[in-house]
Parts: sequence; C-alpha cells; structure tokens
Amino acid sequence: GAVVSQHPSRVICKSGTSVKIECRSLDFQATTMFWYRQFPKQSLMLMATSNEGSKATYEQGVEKDKFLINHASLTLSTLTVTSAHPEDSSFYICSASGWDVVKDTQYFGPGTRLTVL
Amino acid sequence: RKEVEQDPGPFNVPEGATVAFNCTYSNSASQSFFWYRQDCRKEPKLLMSVYSSGNEDGRFTAQLNRASQYISLLIRDSKLSDSATYLCVVTSGAGSYQLTFGKGTKLSVIP
Repeated sequence: GAVVSQHPSRVICKSGTSVKIECRSLDFQATTMFWYRQFPKQSLMLMATSNEGSKATYEQGVEKDKFLINHASLTLSTLTVTSAHPEDSSFYICSASGWDVVKDTQYFGPGTRLTVL
Repeated sequence: RKEVEQDPGPFNVPEGATVAFNCTYSNSASQSFFWYRQDCRKEPKLLMSVYSSGNEDGRFTAQLNRASQYISLLIRDSKLSDSATYLCVVTSGAGSYQLTFGKGTKLSVIP
C-alpha cells in the first residue's frame, strides 16, 4: 500500500517550453504533497508543500511563478515548470502523506528526470 | 552550518564488513529522524526510523544522541545489495512533518 506514481519518468524539452509533471497517490488520499528537486551529487531540496485545495507554500528561493503547483484533488498534484531553461534540468521527486496511511510518513514517487536543451 | 551533515564517502568495503555512517543535524527542535536509502537515479526509500533508545532491524542498527544532535547507522555483514547512498533525514522542527535531507553517504560493497 501507499504507492505514489509520477509521470513522465523522463522528459527532454527545448529551452523556453513548459513541462508538466504529475504526481498521484494510487491507494490513499494525499492530503499533503511535497515537491523536491535533486541536482547531481546534491541532497533533495524541498521546493514546496501543498495541501489539497489550498495554495502551495514555497520554500525560500523557489519562484512560485516559475514552478506552478496545483493540488486540486486528494490523489493528484501537478508541477509545471514554465519557460524551462537548462539550469532547471534536475531530478524532480514528489512525496505524499495522508490521514489514512502511517502518520507523518512521506511516500515518495519514482521521480521525473527533466533535461532542458 | 549545514542543517544535516554527512560524510559523503564513498565508503568502499568488502562483503561481510561492518560499516558505520554518522550524521549531525543543526535544528535542536527536530523531532523525528530517519535513514533513507537511495539507489542511483531512483527515489529515496525509507530504511528505518531512528529512536532515542536505539533500534535495530536485522543487520541495521540506528542510534540517536539528542544532546549531541548526532545520528548513526551501522550495517553489519555488508551485502553487495547494500551498495547505495544512505541519506540522513530529520524533520524540520517541532511539530513539523517537513523533511530535511543530508547529501548522503555513498556505500560500495565490493565482492
């Protein structure tokens, strides 16, 4: 139980385009979803936290107009990287937690590897 | 000072060896502590939670020293399949469920 999926697993796009990444909780209700970014040989860095039906809370230094997060349902959150540039190339990972799974535990998706040319 | 510090390694050990990883954290309000394992180009996976009394799960033993803000992970009888990066993770503060990750320590178990 407590499975989180992400789509796509890998995406390559041209500079200036927008990319949408989906994060789904498959067998539980995700009241909170988290979006992380990981550059090579670096730690996972939290980008934002979103609660279902509310606006996301962004970490310092993360541009909310560039990284649009939508969490409109209890099973789906999306991250849209707008006007992507090569420096946005990274491994984006979502995680989810909910009231009907182990308390305060985050379940991670398999990640999306974004390459911006 | 970084929030969660780990020795990046790599630790190259032979099969069957015992290896220990250390981690220090800066936020004294952190309440929950974990070790995650991350394989190359994959998402992190929870290995074990860490409790003040120390806890063991098979070949893995985790310890926490709140006074020193120090966490450790001991792996006994290393297997080839233990090769991965081990991430020390703490919650961001009192009552917080946000996680702060260390950069990880890379372990390579050699035949």
